[in-house]
Amino acid sequence: DTEVTQTPKHLVMGMTNKKSLKCEQHMGHRAMYWYKQKAKKPPELMFVYSYEKLSINESVPSRFSPECPNSSLLNLHLHALQPEDSALYLCASSQVSGGSQETQYFGPGTRLLVL
Amino acid sequence: DQQVKQNSPSLSVQEGRISILNCDYTNSMFDYFLWYKKYPAEGPTFLISISSIKDKNEDGRFTVFLNKSAKHLSLHIVPSQPGDSAVYFCAASETGNQFYFGTGTSLTVIP
Repeated sequence: DTEVTQTPKHLVMGMTNKKSLKCEQHMGHRAMYWYKQKAKKPPELMFVYSYEKLSINESVPSRFSPECPNSSLLNLHLHALQPEDSALYLCASSQVSGGSQETQYFGPGTRLLVL
Repeated sequence: DQQVKQNSPSLSVQEGRISILNCDYTNSMFDYFLWYKKYPAEGPTFLISISSIKDKNEDGRFTVFLNKSAKHLSLHIVPSQPGDSAVYFCAASETGNQFYFGTGTSLTVIP
């Protein structure tokens, strides 16, 4: 089983709203990732959690706030987003972060539209 | 700085023929390479990978070739099927570091 699930599938929010994206995996992976993907572009890394601790923050604005409640769950809290934040948000997991020959498995993504 | 490049944004192939997708990289320290397939509005799906100690890896219709001296890898799909129509991303990683994705190649398989 290489499934990563994400909810919601679609989200529309105003610039003053607060919302959260959720990601879950049950593969026993200890590394989880948030990526942002715009149309016709590769995924851009936002955050990496390794053993439930934030290990990489790719200079993401503070209006994005990640949280890793346990080894299976990863959240991304959104507040005061801008229209340019509209994108596909992807969650991924791998056995460990930065290990040898690590494969990342992606969820289906949340399509976010900020109005 | 784009460390992984896919110079062909799109490719069209007849059903049953071979599809060849190319990827170039600049970092000689990359030791693991992957191909992902992505349908619109979905997450990338892992397809096939290759370690830097190999030059070929095959899985059914999919074969990945690695030419380390040229810093080039390619994905061969044979025979191509209409369901293979998607965007293909190559990715590379170096142990201890994160993934770098290419810009993607949109493959269209014409029935």
